[in-house]
Amino acid sequence: DAGVIQSPRHEVTEMGQEVTLRCKPISGHNSLFWYRQTMMRGLELLIYFNNNVPIDDSGMPEDRFSAKMPNASFSTLKIQPSEPRDSAVYFCASSFQPGGEQFFGPGTRLTVL
Amino acid sequence: AQSVAQPEDQVNVAEGNPLTVKCTYSVSGNPYLFWYVQYPNRGLQFLLKYITGDNLVKGSYGFEAEFNKSQTSFHLKKPSALVSDSALYFCAVSVINTDKLIFGTGTRLQVFP
Repeated sequence: DAGVIQSPRHEVTEMGQEVTLRCKPISGHNSLFWYRQTMMRGLELLIYFNNNVPIDDSGMPEDRFSAKMPNASFSTLKIQPSEPRDSAVYFCASSFQPGGEQFFGPGTRLTVL
Repeated sequence: AQSVAQPEDQVNVAEGNPLTVKCTYSVSGNPYLFWYVQYPNRGLQFLLKYITGDNLVKGSYGFEAEFNKSQTSFHLKKPSALVSDSALYFCAVSVINTDKLIFGTGTRLQVFP
């Protein structure tokens, strides 16, 4: 099993540009989570899906952030327009059962100049 | 509301000595508790979990954790620390009736040779 796959691993962009982060969960897992990690705020849950349906997006910072899960094997997190304060490491995770352990991807390090 | 606290930002221990990383929780109902480890520039890795049963849970890499209901604690332990155990450790609790995990702020473990 390849684990959770995220792309790109690193992204450097300029303020105002659109950024799209991608995630492929572990096959058979039915929950998918997007997190953001910064030194100042630690690990924050942005949104999670169950069976491709968004369940809780209360952690999404503002309307500039959006997430989709068009099928069980793919999800995107989009920031438009990006701002320097969005610079962080973004993690995707998936889990097989409610309340079960989550498996994290390697993360995407985003730098917005 | 569920919450988890890691009171120590950093723990320093000499190689070969026992280590403890502390975690306390606040939940309504029976908790599902987790420990994760994060190595530099990597995603979080699952170490162990407590759901029910024996209060002493054994996990990966020789780690174990003790669930103490009266003290609402779930401390991570290892009898003999290795330099390679140096990493960031997160305690987490599941949110009842959801797939969400609430993570602590993390404790940096530094094992000195």
